[in-house]
Amino acid sequence: QQQVKQSPQSLIVQKGGISIINCAYENTAFDYFPWYQQFPGKGPALLIAIRPDVSEKKEGRFTISFNKSAKQFSLHIMDSQPGDSATYFCAPFLSGSARQLTFGSGTQLTVLP
Amino acid sequence: DAGITQSPRYKITETGRQVTLMCHQTWSHSYMFWYRQDLGHGLRLIYYSAAADITDKGEVPDGYVVSRSKTENFPLTLESATRSQTSVYFCASSESDSNQPQHFGDGTRLSIL
Repeated sequence: QQQVKQSPQSLIVQKGGISIINCAYENTAFDYFPWYQQFPGKGPALLIAIRPDVSEKKEGRFTISFNKSAKQFSLHIMDSQPGDSATYFCAPFLSGSARQLTFGSGTQLTVLP
Repeated sequence: DAGITQSPRYKITETGRQVTLMCHQTWSHSYMFWYRQDLGHGLRLIYYSAAADITDKGEVPDGYVVSRSKTENFPLTLESATRSQTSVYFCASSESDSNQPQHFGDGTRLSIL
C-alpha cells in the first residue's frame, strides 16, 4: 500500500486563526490531491482538491498548497470558524488505481469561539 | 432524493452471525467503495467495484464479501462476524477512478458483541 502521512493528529485553533494540516506521500505518480471534511455522524465530503500541474488552489477561506519536490500538500484554513471544527482527511490518488486508495489518518480540528 | 444511502444506520449483532450492510446510490456512478473507519486507522478500503459484476479487493478484505448485480446497489456482507469487525462502515461512489471525488454515505455503526 502507498504510504500517506498526515499531521498533526489534532489541532486547536482560536476563532479567526489559521489552521494548517499537512499530508506527505510517497508515490510521485499521484495525480489527484483532495482534502475531505467529516463532521460527527456524517460521511466525509470533498472540501477542495488540486492537480499536480498547479502549486496552489484557493476556494474561499480554504487553500491547498502543493509542493511536488517535497511530496507534500497542505490545507490552509484562513479565518478559522467554530463551524470548521471537523476531521480532515487527505487522500492522494493515482487515476486507474482504485485498489490502492489510501486516506491519511485524519486531523481533528477544533476551533475555539 | 439523489444521493447515496446506507442502511441500517446502526446495527448490533453477535459473533458468528451473518450481517449485510446495504448501500444504494442514485447517480448511476460506475465506481462504488466500502470503507471501514476505526480510531487511529482513518478510512481503510475493504472492497470496491468498477461496474456491475466487477469487484476487487482493497486493503482489508478478509472476512467480507461483496456483490454488485445492479449499478446502484453494493451490499457488504460479513459472513461470520467477529468482534474485530466492530467499526463504522462507509459506502462511497464516484463517476470514474480518474480525478473524481468520492461521494460518501453517512455510515453504518456496527457493533459485534
